[in-house]
Amino acid sequence: KAGVTQTPRYLIKTRGQQVTLSCSPISGHRSVSWYQQTPGQGLQFLFEYFSETQRNKGNFPGRFSGRQFSNSRSEMNVSTLELGDSALYLCASSGEDWRVSRYTDTQYFGPGTRLTVL
Amino acid sequence: AQTVTQSQPEMSVQEAETVTLSCTYDTSESDYYLFWYKQPPSRQMILVIRQEAYKQQNATENRFSVNFQKAAKSFSLKISDSQLGDAAMYFCAYKSVNDMRFGAGTRLTVKP
Repeated sequence: KAGVTQTPRYLIKTRGQQVTLSCSPISGHRSVSWYQQTPGQGLQFLFEYFSETQRNKGNFPGRFSGRQFSNSRSEMNVSTLELGDSALYLCASSGEDWRVSRYTDTQYFGPGTRLTVL
Repeated sequence: AQTVTQSQPEMSVQEAETVTLSCTYDTSESDYYLFWYKQPPSRQMILVIRQEAYKQQNATENRFSVNFQKAAKSFSLKISDSQLGDAAMYFCAYKSVNDMRFGAGTRLTVKP
């Protein structure tokens, strides 16, 4: 199976702009999670989508939003970009519903999108 | 809130030797999973090993094994016969139904 793919891989924006990042999960996976990775804050959970519904949300401002489509592909949007939004944004997919199968909820990561805000 | 702590920012090991990376976590939940992920420089994060909290047996994957102490909330990773390709950032992670958290990471250097 193909792995998790993210587009674009690199992005440069200026303050105040908005940006949309895309993530295609592993075929058959229904859960997609987004993370922000920075040298100072490490890996921080943004949100998780499962079957087009947001299942969990991290502690980020409302400028960060996401959605998931019926084919499980997901997009993340950041509006009114700030310098501090510069980071590597990682997407991860997993294939099982924790509450149904009790199977591992192992997440498989994409290569990330490196966003630079100038 | 659940926290994951990796107390060793950097570790170094000689090729072919064994190294243990530490991880502790805090939770009030009884049902969760623990993971170790590896992130080589400028490369993709990949799963190294996982442990279900309800299993007492420690997980093992080839040269990688864990020491899971549920009562102590400790989850260390042992890498045996270290190889140059093991050099990377290693992240300990905790996942429950409503939460996913990562530790700050441990940078492992492997010396030839």
